Amino acid sequence: GAVVSQHPSRVICKSGTSVKIECRSLDFQATTMFWYRQFPKKSLMLMATSNEGSKATYEQGVEKDKFLINHASLTLSTLTVTSAHPEDSSFYICSARDPQGWQETQYFGPGTRLLVL
Amino acid sequence: AQTVTQSQPEMSVQEAETVTLSCTYDTSESNYYLFWYKQPPSRQMILVIRQEAYKQQNATENRFSVNFQKAAKSFSLKISDSQLGDTAMYFCAFYSGTYKYIFGTGTRLKVLA
Repeated sequence: GAVVSQHPSRVICKSGTSVKIECRSLDFQATTMFWYRQFPKKSLMLMATSNEGSKATYEQGVEKDKFLINHASLTLSTLTVTSAHPEDSSFYICSARDPQGWQETQYFGPGTRLLVL
Repeated sequence: AQTVTQSQPEMSVQEAETVTLSCTYDTSESNYYLFWYKQPPSRQMILVIRQEAYKQQNATENRFSVNFQKAAKSFSLKISDSQLGDTAMYFCAFYSGTYKYIFGTGTRLKVLA
């Protein structure tokens, strides 16, 4: 149980375009999902917390207009990188909490590698 | 503010041997949770083990066990009978009831054949 998927697993786009990454909880309903960014050989940096039916909460220093987060259903959250630039190239990971299970435990998706040319 | 420190950037261990990864944390909270996550080369974060701070008994999951010392704010992970598949980055994480985790910087473990 507690499986989280992400799509796509990797994406290459041109500078200036927008990219959408989907995060799905496959076998549970997640009222809260999280979006992280991970640089090579570094730890995870929390970007924002996504709450179903309400606005996301962004961490300090994260541009909310650049990283649009939508959590329209209990099983889906999306991260859209708008007007992507090469410095946005990174590994993006989502996670979710299972409210019916260990609520303090986050289950992670497999990540999305974004390369902006 | 809570902090999590992993003082060993890299470690190696021979296959079938035992290795211990260290993690210390700082908090003024009395109730919290601690986790070890594994990130293999695939980069999928996998939950290895979790510990509830109010439980004195150390958590175990097959070959993985923790040494939780609440007073010392220490939470080390012991991997017994190390296998090649244990090669990964290991992250210690802290959660106290706010919505977010605090991660350590990670320890890169390499299991040698």
